[in-house]
Amino acid sequence: AQSVTQPDIHITVSEGASLELRCNYSYGATPYLFWYVQSPGQGLQLLLKYFSGDTLVQGIKGFEAEFKRSQSSFNLRKPSVHWSDAAEYFCAVGAVLAAAGNKLTFGGGTRVLVKP
Amino acid sequence: DARVTQTPRHKVTEMGQEVTMRCQPILGHNTVFWYRQTMMQGLELLAYFRNRAPLDDSGMPKDRFSAEMPDATLATLKIQPSEPRDSAVYFCASGSPTGANTGELFFGEGSRLTVL
Repeated sequence: AQSVTQPDIHITVSEGASLELRCNYSYGATPYLFWYVQSPGQGLQLLLKYFSGDTLVQGIKGFEAEFKRSQSSFNLRKPSVHWSDAAEYFCAVGAVLAAAGNKLTFGGGTRVLVKP
Repeated sequence: DARVTQTPRHKVTEMGQEVTMRCQPILGHNTVFWYRQTMMQGLELLAYFRNRAPLDDSGMPKDRFSAEMPDATLATLKIQPSEPRDSAVYFCASGSPTGANTGELFFGEGSRLTVL
């Protein structure tokens, strides 16, 4: 069965500092990997995704993530956070096989607080 | 701008009442998912459809929950009778297993349900 672990429930970071959110997954096949962001009262918005190819992927809002197969990780990074980055971030894993559709398994989320 | 539309955005009801939540997926998407989000459990997959056929509803309490897709533009999630423990935010998401956005899910803004 597939699973996603986000070890950090909360992270507090100062505005302008760098941010790294950890994600570890368990999946029996080649995974699709995603990072979503959820602002308060909103739905989830896709930040970036990895399907294949370059293991460093760029996303929206200045975020990037690196896929490391040997570590089963897909950590999210941003060099300099802005106050508007305060939100909850979810890592997700899904199937490559078209027959499985888009079924995604989400991690528990990491809530990011940004200090002025 | 294509988006997933959910109604109602907020619903307060009394225990024992029937609740119906509706979702209009993005036109052309053939997979539809219902997720429930709570503080304790995070994002849980309740049910999902592919080409309007239910593929997996194992995450849904069968005795009180039901999910349907009467047509390609409407998905419904019904709770009857509702209980306080059903209080949560219910998200609908749609996706397409092929094309440029393969594997990606697009989320609605959610329906916040409070059962008193």
